[in-house]
Amino acid sequence: GAVVSQHPSRVICKSGTSVKIECRSLDFQATTMFWYRQFPKQSLMLMATSNEGSKATYEQGVEKDKFLINHASLTLSTLTVTSAHPEDSSFYICSAREARGVSYEQYFGPGTRLTVT
Amino acid sequence: AQSVSQHNHHVILSEAASLELGCNYSYGGTVNLFWYVQYPGQHLQLLLKYFSGDPLVKGIKGFEAEFIKSKFSFNLRKPSVQWSDTAEYFCAVKPLNTGFQKLVFGTGTRLLVSP
Repeated sequence: GAVVSQHPSRVICKSGTSVKIECRSLDFQATTMFWYRQFPKQSLMLMATSNEGSKATYEQGVEKDKFLINHASLTLSTLTVTSAHPEDSSFYICSAREARGVSYEQYFGPGTRLTVT
Repeated sequence: AQSVSQHNHHVILSEAASLELGCNYSYGGTVNLFWYVQYPGQHLQLLLKYFSGDPLVKGIKGFEAEFIKSKFSFNLRKPSVQWSDTAEYFCAVKPLNTGFQKLVFGTGTRLLVSP
């Protein structure tokens, strides 16, 4: 099946710094990528949707200036957490969509555990 | 509000017991339905999906799910669980009649299978 990778898998940063997380579709072209956040023992919450070559669409309550998303190519999307704070510590998961007509599947990356100290 | 509900937050079973995890959604139109599994320390994996046709869907590892449109449900079942089925299970729904087709997840059910 389709594979989505994320890098890094874990990152620890100091409060006030920025962190970039990469999401790659390894064996397919993803016109759309999704970024989720998962809090402990909770479900995945969609943060934003990015389409290749255009601006990301953010969900209500997600600060677009804080969570910068770039989808520069059909196989790469990046999420940059700017001026990170301890409350940004979470598990960030990306997902890539393989479009097939009306119905499609999303493939998920392994996630990135961000800890802000 | 439109949502996806998983009523069982934690389930504990012994090996060989039968499993049924509930999933209900509140979208009125046509939907695609999914069950994902997240094993400890691993990423989400697709167990099975329903797009159209036979409402009884068979997935990997002996799992199946039944779409009952009148009940807005898509319950996951397995006749005999194994210790290796210990994981968190997420139901997800993609409404097709909205402008943008987003996947909406339930809150998850944590399954613990004791040997």
